[in-house]
Amino acid sequence: KAGVTQTPRYLIKTRGQQVTLSCSPISGHRSVSWYQQTPGQGLQFLFEYFSETQRNKGNFPGRFSGRQFSNSRSEMNVSTLELGDSALYLCASSPGIRDAATPYGYTFGSGTRLTVV
Amino acid sequence: AQTVTQSQPEMSVQEAETVTLSCTYDTSESNYYLFWYKQPPSRQMILVIRQEAYKQQNATENRFSVNFQKAAKSFSLKISDSQLGDTAMYFCAASGSRLTFGEGTQLTVNP
Repeated sequence: KAGVTQTPRYLIKTRGQQVTLSCSPISGHRSVSWYQQTPGQGLQFLFEYFSETQRNKGNFPGRFSGRQFSNSRSEMNVSTLELGDSALYLCASSPGIRDAATPYGYTFGSGTRLTVV
Repeated sequence: AQTVTQSQPEMSVQEAETVTLSCTYDTSESNYYLFWYKQPPSRQMILVIRQEAYKQQNATENRFSVNFQKAAKSFSLKISDSQLGDTAMYFCAASGSRLTFGEGTQLTVNP
């Protein structure tokens, strides 16, 4: 069973540009969540998509957006890049909508390392 | 809102010894799950162990075990017989509509 696939692995962009990151979840998983990981802020939740609908959103500016397609693949877009957007962006998939009593965690991809110069 | 706190940014241990990583959390949920994830230099986050809050028995997975103190909202991870491959960042997480992660503890296993 293939894992969570994130592309590209590495990306270098210039301030002001936009970027699109891609995530393919495990086959059969319908929920995709995105996290930003930086040394200073740790893992911060961006948003979650389930069945092509955004179910949950973290505290990030509107420059960060995402979408999910009918095959559960998800893309994340960051517009007008800033130096502070340099981070590892992790995608995580899970079978369905979760709550506190959901016994399973996430399955993560290997991330996309974004560097903004 | 849930919070998860890991107060040890870095720890080190000698190969074959035992180490304990600390985690405290806060949640308003009555039933919930707690997780420990490992992130080696390859960046892949790997689930190490999980604990259901309703279960009093501490979870164990081979060399990894937890000490779950529900009243104290404490969830520590014990790694026995540490191996070089255990070198990684370890994250504690609490379940909810999303997973809430702690700041992480960088564990280095020295030969």
